[in-house]
Amino acid sequence: DVKVTQSSRYLVKRTGEKVFLECVQDMDHENMFWYRQDPGLGLRLIYFSYDVKMKEKGDIPEGYSVSREKKERFSLILESASTNQTSMYLCASSYRQGITYEQYFGPGTRLTVT
Amino acid sequence: LAKTTQPISMDSYEGQEVNITCSHNNIATNDYITWYQQFPSQGPRFIIQGYKTKVTNEVASLFIPADRKSSTLSLPRVSLSDTAVYYCLVGTNAGNNRKLIWGLGTSLAVNP
Repeated sequence: DVKVTQSSRYLVKRTGEKVFLECVQDMDHENMFWYRQDPGLGLRLIYFSYDVKMKEKGDIPEGYSVSREKKERFSLILESASTNQTSMYLCASSYRQGITYEQYFGPGTRLTVT
Repeated sequence: LAKTTQPISMDSYEGQEVNITCSHNNIATNDYITWYQQFPSQGPRFIIQGYKTKVTNEVASLFIPADRKSSTLSLPRVSLSDTAVYYCLVGTNAGNNRKLIWGLGTSLAVNP
């Protein structure tokens, strides 16, 4: 069974803090993704990575950065957290080159920025 | 650029067939159509993917007409456990134009 794990289910941070969200997959997948999910807005892609050290911006990259130093790990970084970044963050991975292939999602991290 | 539109919510009863339609009028030649299911407090889970005509697996069927401007996810004989949000996704791998366009989701309530 593919497993995508995220470092925290719930996280509370203060405005201005640097926040790291970690994602690990155990199936040697090439692609990894970070989304945020908000009521009424669905899933919005922040960044994706198709190989180690490679990344591409998604639809809403502003205020975020990512790091992929190892194939199994993809980190989302909020350099200076703001209240409008309060959201559910979902990580996903897929096993082939190309972003349309079946994605396996983690359970999500609910981040609250106060 | 493809945009995906789907109903916000649907109601059904146990044992019925449920059809959820997604509209994607501007779908491009290289785009694939994928459906995901999401339960509360979980990430979405892949259901089915297709390019044209009909695709069937053990849980659902996907119908795509010839013009590909819409797609219909069909769930046969739903049960209470099928109560979830269903997302339509149009995506392309084409070169530098890689895109994922998610619908806003259809909340399906299955009643006893």
